[in-house]
Amino acid sequence: AQSVTQLGSHVSVSEGALVLLRCNYSSSVPPYLFWYVQYPNQGLQLLLKYTSAATLVKGINGFEAEFKKSETSFHLTKPSAHMSDAAEYFCAVSKGTPLVFGKGTRLSVIA
Amino acid sequence: SAVISQKPSRDICQRGTSLTIQCQVDSQVTMMFWYRQQPGQSLTLIATANQGSEATYESGFVIDKFPISRPNLTFSTLTVSNMSPEDSSIYLCSVDSTSGSYEQYFGPGTRLTVT
Repeated sequence: AQSVTQLGSHVSVSEGALVLLRCNYSSSVPPYLFWYVQYPNQGLQLLLKYTSAATLVKGINGFEAEFKKSETSFHLTKPSAHMSDAAEYFCAVSKGTPLVFGKGTRLSVIA
Repeated sequence: SAVISQKPSRDICQRGTSLTIQCQVDSQVTMMFWYRQQPGQSLTLIATANQGSEATYESGFVIDKFPISRPNLTFSTLTVSNMSPEDSSIYLCSVDSTSGSYEQYFGPGTRLTVT
Protein backbone atom coordinates (compact mmCIF):
# COMPACT_ATOMS: atom_id res chain seq x y z
CA ALA A 1 0.00 0.00 0.00
CA GLN A 2 1.20 3.45 -0.77
CA SER A 3 2.08 5.80 2.06
CA VAL A 4 3.91 9.02 2.86
CA THR A 5 6.14 9.86 5.78
CA GLN A 6 6.61 13.42 6.93
CA LEU A 7 9.74 13.92 8.98
CA GLY A 8 9.19 16.31 11.84
CA SER A 9 5.78 16.97 13.33
CA HIS A 10 6.79 20.55 14.10
CA VAL A 11 9.20 22.87 12.30
CA SER A 12 10.05 26.33 13.53
CA VAL A 13 11.82 28.93 11.38
CA SER A 14 12.58 32.62 11.65
CA GLU A 15 10.82 35.07 9.39
CA GLY A 16 12.86 35.37 6.17
CA ALA A 17 14.57 32.02 6.62
CA LEU A 18 14.37 29.01 4.34
CA VAL A 19 11.44 26.68 4.85
CA LEU A 20 12.07 22.96 4.29
CA LEU A 21 9.36 20.40 5.02
CA ARG A 22 10.24 16.80 4.31
CA CYS A 23 8.11 14.12 2.70
CA ASN A 24 9.09 10.62 1.58
CA TYR A 25 6.76 8.29 -0.26
CA SER A 26 6.56 4.55 -0.38
CA SER A 27 5.60 3.20 -3.74
CA SER A 28 7.16 0.87 -6.28
CA VAL A 29 5.90 3.09 -9.07
CA PRO A 30 6.12 6.90 -8.86
CA PRO A 31 2.72 8.09 -7.75
CA TYR A 32 1.01 11.42 -7.90
CA LEU A 33 2.17 13.59 -5.01
CA PHE A 34 0.60 16.61 -3.38
CA TRP A 35 1.20 19.21 -0.72
CA TYR A 36 -1.79 20.73 1.05
CA VAL A 37 -1.90 23.51 3.63
CA GLN A 38 -4.41 23.90 6.43
CA TYR A 39 -4.69 27.25 8.17
CA PRO A 40 -6.26 27.31 11.63
CA ASN A 41 -9.97 26.50 11.59
CA GLN A 42 -10.03 26.07 7.83
CA GLY A 43 -10.19 23.25 5.31
CA LEU A 44 -7.33 22.05 3.14
CA GLN A 45 -5.93 24.06 0.25
CA LEU A 46 -3.82 22.56 -2.52
CA LEU A 47 -0.34 24.08 -2.62
CA LEU A 48 1.13 22.10 -5.49
CA LYS A 49 1.14 18.71 -7.17
CA TYR A 50 3.47 16.35 -9.02
CA THR A 51 1.88 14.38 -11.84
CA SER A 52 4.93 12.97 -13.69
CA ALA A 53 5.66 16.08 -15.73
CA ALA A 54 8.42 18.42 -14.50
CA THR A 55 10.22 17.20 -11.40
CA LEU A 56 10.43 20.72 -9.96
CA VAL A 57 6.94 21.87 -9.22
CA LYS A 58 6.01 25.44 -8.38
CA GLY A 59 2.95 26.15 -6.33
CA ILE A 60 1.10 29.00 -4.76
CA ASN A 61 2.47 31.46 -2.19
CA GLY A 62 6.08 30.98 -3.34
CA PHE A 63 6.31 27.30 -2.43
CA GLU A 64 7.93 24.68 -4.61
CA ALA A 65 8.76 20.99 -4.34
CA GLU A 66 11.17 18.70 -6.12
CA PHE A 67 10.36 15.10 -6.97
CA LYS A 68 13.44 12.89 -6.53
CA LYS A 69 12.78 9.32 -7.57
CA SER A 70 16.18 8.07 -6.38
CA GLU A 71 15.41 9.33 -2.89
CA THR A 72 11.63 8.70 -3.03
CA SER A 73 11.22 12.23 -1.76
CA PHE A 74 9.02 15.23 -2.44
CA HIS A 75 10.24 17.92 -0.05
CA LEU A 76 8.52 21.30 0.13
CA THR A 77 10.57 24.48 0.19
CA LYS A 78 10.17 28.23 0.28
CA PRO A 79 13.17 30.57 0.15
CA SER A 80 11.88 33.10 2.65
CA ALA A 81 9.29 32.41 5.32
CA HIS A 82 6.50 34.86 6.07
CA MET A 83 4.46 35.04 9.23
CA SER A 84 1.41 34.14 7.16
CA ASP A 85 2.97 30.76 6.29
CA ALA A 86 2.32 29.48 9.81
CA ALA A 87 -0.02 26.54 9.29
CA GLU A 88 -0.24 22.75 9.13
CA TYR A 89 1.21 21.17 5.97
CA PHE A 90 0.22 17.76 4.68
CA CYS A 91 1.95 15.65 2.07
CA ALA A 92 -0.36 13.25 0.23
CA VAL A 93 -0.02 10.47 -2.33
CA SER A 94 -2.34 8.93 -4.87
CA LYS A 95 -2.20 6.18 -7.45
CA GLY A 96 -5.84 6.82 -8.15
CA THR A 97 -8.19 8.42 -5.69
CA PRO A 98 -8.54 8.71 -2.78
CA LEU A 99 -5.57 10.54 -1.32
CA VAL A 100 -3.52 9.09 1.50
CA PHE A 101 -2.12 11.73 3.83
CA GLY A 102 0.98 11.97 5.93
CA LYS A 103 0.73 12.90 9.60
CA GLY A 104 1.35 16.56 8.90
CA THR A 105 3.99 19.12 9.89
CA ARG A 106 3.12 22.20 11.84
CA LEU A 107 5.15 25.19 10.66
CA SER A 108 5.76 28.01 13.09
CA VAL A 109 7.33 31.27 11.93
CA ILE A 110 9.12 33.38 14.50
CA ALA A 111 9.37 37.14 14.09
CA SER B 1 -11.60 23.62 -9.18
CA ALA B 2 -14.77 22.90 -7.22
CA VAL B 3 -16.36 24.97 -4.50
CA ILE B 4 -17.60 22.88 -1.62
CA SER B 5 -19.80 23.94 1.27
CA GLN B 6 -20.60 22.02 4.42
CA LYS B 7 -23.34 22.39 6.99
CA PRO B 8 -23.15 22.81 9.89
CA SER B 9 -19.74 24.42 10.26
CA ARG B 10 -19.62 23.33 13.89
CA ASP B 11 -21.85 21.73 16.49
CA ILE B 12 -21.82 20.59 20.07
CA CYS B 13 -23.83 17.43 20.64
CA GLN B 14 -24.79 15.20 23.54
CA ARG B 15 -23.51 11.67 23.66
CA GLY B 16 -25.91 9.10 22.28
CA THR B 17 -27.40 11.46 19.70
CA SER B 18 -26.78 11.64 15.94
CA LEU B 19 -25.68 14.44 13.66
CA THR B 20 -26.05 14.66 9.90
CA ILE B 21 -23.48 16.69 7.99
CA GLN B 22 -24.30 18.00 4.54
CA CYS B 23 -21.88 18.52 1.68
CA GLN B 24 -22.81 20.54 -1.40
CA VAL B 25 -20.61 20.95 -4.50
CA ASP B 26 -21.04 23.62 -7.16
CA SER B 27 -20.50 21.17 -10.02
CA GLN B 28 -21.26 17.55 -10.79
CA VAL B 29 -18.61 15.15 -9.54
CA THR B 30 -18.26 11.42 -9.74
CA MET B 31 -16.64 10.63 -6.43
CA MET B 32 -17.07 12.24 -3.04
CA PHE B 33 -15.06 11.38 0.03
CA TRP B 34 -15.55 11.82 3.74
CA TYR B 35 -12.53 12.23 5.99
CA ARG B 36 -12.15 12.51 9.74
CA GLN B 37 -9.49 14.64 11.38
CA GLN B 38 -9.18 13.98 15.07
CA PRO B 39 -7.67 16.74 17.24
CA GLY B 40 -4.06 17.36 16.28
CA GLN B 41 -4.08 14.47 13.82
CA SER B 42 -3.96 13.91 10.09
CA LEU B 43 -6.86 13.06 7.84
CA THR B 44 -8.29 9.56 7.81
CA LEU B 45 -10.60 8.43 5.04
CA ILE B 46 -13.96 7.23 6.30
CA ALA B 47 -15.62 6.28 3.03
CA THR B 48 -15.98 6.93 -0.67
CA ALA B 49 -19.44 7.77 -2.00
CA ASN B 50 -20.42 7.30 -5.61
CA GLN B 51 -23.81 8.39 -6.84
CA GLY B 52 -26.21 5.53 -7.24
CA SER B 53 -24.29 2.96 -5.25
CA GLU B 54 -23.52 2.06 -1.68
CA ALA B 55 -20.63 3.89 -0.09
CA THR B 56 -17.35 2.04 0.31
CA TYR B 57 -16.04 2.15 3.87
CA GLU B 58 -12.43 1.97 5.01
CA SER B 59 -11.22 -0.44 7.61
CA GLY B 60 -12.40 0.61 11.05
CA PHE B 61 -15.48 2.46 9.83
CA VAL B 62 -18.90 0.84 9.50
CA ILE B 63 -22.15 1.86 7.87
CA ASP B 64 -24.18 1.59 11.07
CA LYS B 65 -21.99 4.22 12.72
CA PHE B 66 -21.41 6.46 9.68
CA PRO B 67 -24.29 6.08 7.22
CA ILE B 68 -23.75 8.02 4.01
CA SER B 69 -26.18 9.16 1.35
CA ARG B 70 -25.36 10.29 -2.19
CA PRO B 71 -28.65 11.15 -3.85
CA ASN B 72 -27.16 13.05 -6.80
CA LEU B 73 -23.91 14.25 -8.35
CA THR B 74 -23.62 17.43 -6.26
CA PHE B 75 -24.69 16.41 -2.77
CA SER B 76 -23.87 13.96 0.00
CA THR B 77 -24.54 13.54 3.69
CA LEU B 78 -22.62 11.84 6.46
CA THR B 79 -24.36 10.90 9.69
CA VAL B 80 -22.42 10.30 12.87
CA SER B 81 -24.64 7.98 14.90
CA ASN B 82 -24.86 7.26 18.61
CA MET B 83 -22.07 9.70 19.29
CA SER B 84 -19.47 9.43 22.01
CA PRO B 85 -16.76 11.92 23.02
CA GLU B 86 -14.32 9.93 20.86
CA ASP B 87 -16.25 11.13 17.81
CA SER B 88 -15.18 14.70 18.50
CA SER B 89 -13.34 15.60 15.31
CA ILE B 90 -13.41 17.69 12.20
CA TYR B 91 -15.28 15.96 9.39
CA LEU B 92 -14.28 16.99 5.89
CA CYS B 93 -16.01 16.42 2.60
CA SER B 94 -13.84 16.13 -0.50
CA VAL B 95 -14.33 15.64 -4.22
CA ASP B 96 -12.00 14.46 -6.92
CA SER B 97 -10.82 16.60 -9.78
CA THR B 98 -12.43 16.15 -13.17
CA SER B 99 -9.11 16.94 -14.85
CA GLY B 100 -7.67 13.49 -14.32
CA SER B 101 -4.81 14.70 -12.13
CA TYR B 102 -6.11 12.93 -9.01
CA GLU B 103 -6.10 16.03 -6.85
CA GLN B 104 -8.94 16.51 -4.45
CA TYR B 105 -10.76 19.61 -3.28
CA PHE B 106 -11.93 19.98 0.28
CA GLY B 107 -14.78 21.62 2.05
CA PRO B 108 -14.20 23.84 5.08
CA GLY B 109 -15.03 21.01 7.47
CA THR B 110 -17.54 20.46 10.26
CA ARG B 111 -16.12 20.75 13.75
CA LEU B 112 -17.98 18.36 16.03
CA THR B 113 -17.70 18.30 19.81
CA VAL B 114 -19.47 15.55 21.73
CA THR B 115 -20.06 16.11 25.43
